[in-house]
Amino acid sequence: DTGVSQDPRHKITKRGQNVTFRCDPISEHNRLYWYRQTLGQGPEFLTYFQNEAQLEKSRLLSDRFSAERPKGSFSTLEIQRTEQGDSAMYLCASSRGPGTALNSPLHFGNGTRLTVT
Amino acid sequence: KNQVEQSPQSLIILEGKNCTLQCNYTVSPFSNLRWYKQDTGRGPVSLTIMTFSENTKSNGRYTATLDADTKQSSLHITASQLSDSASYICVVSASNAGNMLTFGGGTRLMVKP
Repeated sequence: DTGVSQDPRHKITKRGQNVTFRCDPISEHNRLYWYRQTLGQGPEFLTYFQNEAQLEKSRLLSDRFSAERPKGSFSTLEIQRTEQGDSAMYLCASSRGPGTALNSPLHFGNGTRLTVT
Repeated sequence: KNQVEQSPQSLIILEGKNCTLQCNYTVSPFSNLRWYKQDTGRGPVSLTIMTFSENTKSNGRYTATLDADTKQSSLHITASQLSDSASYICVVSASNAGNMLTFGGGTRLMVKP
């Protein structure tokens, strides 16, 4: 078990470009979450998968954002036509059961820091 | 609306000193409360998790308390070390919230030698 892995760790892009991030959860975890975190703030929920099904999406997830988890294992988060306001840390987390349950806490990756210039 | 408020926003202490971080929440119906430690540039790591029936839980030099009546929690750090410098995030879940957690904004702690 190597924990939740995210790639890349850092991404610098110009406004208007598309970017894609990858998350590899802990292998036996069927739930996968994406969060966004700006400096000095707590993580904000973006979306959640149970296996390959995307079950919840935040209002923060505009139509420029799309997330997939095609085989119920790794997930990708794509941002199209990036804006400067998209600059943030994008965190992925996984859990064995519901993330709110006592026996299935969220395990976070170390995030992808996006800078849009 | 479910909310979690943390105080102070930031704190500077000298190595070896103790400190206490506060978390107030309005999440209802309450299920459990977790404290996470987040080092700069890293993801949050769970420190403690507490349910309604637990008043105190320790993890090494970290001790969390919970008062479910006043909807307050605190995280006490004893004999601080330089490696304690991090953000500490309080996270509360509601029993009817499915997979939704409510995150506080965190307290940024800096321990100076």
